Amino acid sequence: GAGVSQSPRYKVAKRGQDVALRCDPISGHVSLFWYQQALGQGPEFLTYFQNEAQLDKSGLPSDRFFAERPEGSVSTLKIQRTQQEDSAVYLCASSDETGLNAGELFFGEGSRLTVL
Amino acid sequence: QKEVEQNSGPLSVPEGAIASLNCTYSDRGSQSFFWYRQYSGKSPELIMSIYSNGDKEDGRFTAQLNKASQYVSLLIRDSQPSDSATYLCAVNIYGNNRLAFGKGNQVVVIP
Repeated sequence: GAGVSQSPRYKVAKRGQDVALRCDPISGHVSLFWYQQALGQGPEFLTYFQNEAQLDKSGLPSDRFFAERPEGSVSTLKIQRTQQEDSAVYLCASSDETGLNAGELFFGEGSRLTVL
Repeated sequence: QKEVEQNSGPLSVPEGAIASLNCTYSDRGSQSFFWYRQYSGKSPELIMSIYSNGDKEDGRFTAQLNKASQYVSLLIRDSQPSDSATYLCAVNIYGNNRLAFGKGNQVVVIP
């Protein structure tokens, strides 16, 4: 497709379960970002990939969060042993620019995670 | 201090009026500034970018940047009901490979 695709759109997990969220960026986009957006808040940065390299993971809230982009296209965000505070919308965004120039981000529709 | 601050509460404007949104940022070295629009339940979409001090106009939208005051604003002229959304200010943090977002300002245009 032409846009950023995320799946699943909605995920309900029991506390302690592991979840995996997938992002398929716009074809050819070098940069890929994951953001977390809580209700009523702006997106909070989680991690950044340039091609397959994870250049910045400073926003990952704990070691339960892990992201990968092994072939430089599709990315997966994995959350282990989910907690209620992980409930949020997880947004993936891609850009054809890198680093400091990557201001025009194209966002997917997000994956809404609810942890019970 | 948060990297990007948007402190105003929801803004209600009558149709046809001007909506004015403000944003401040903490990193004096930042060079790139953006406004994203987010409809309820949807993802953010870029509406304006600005890199130099002064005004930048695009249709009914005008972005204003004052780097000395570390201040970015967005004006929406002739507001329409379709402008009702949350507007997110975003700053490319100098030395980092990411955009930092403010918490957003909700705008409601009343017909």
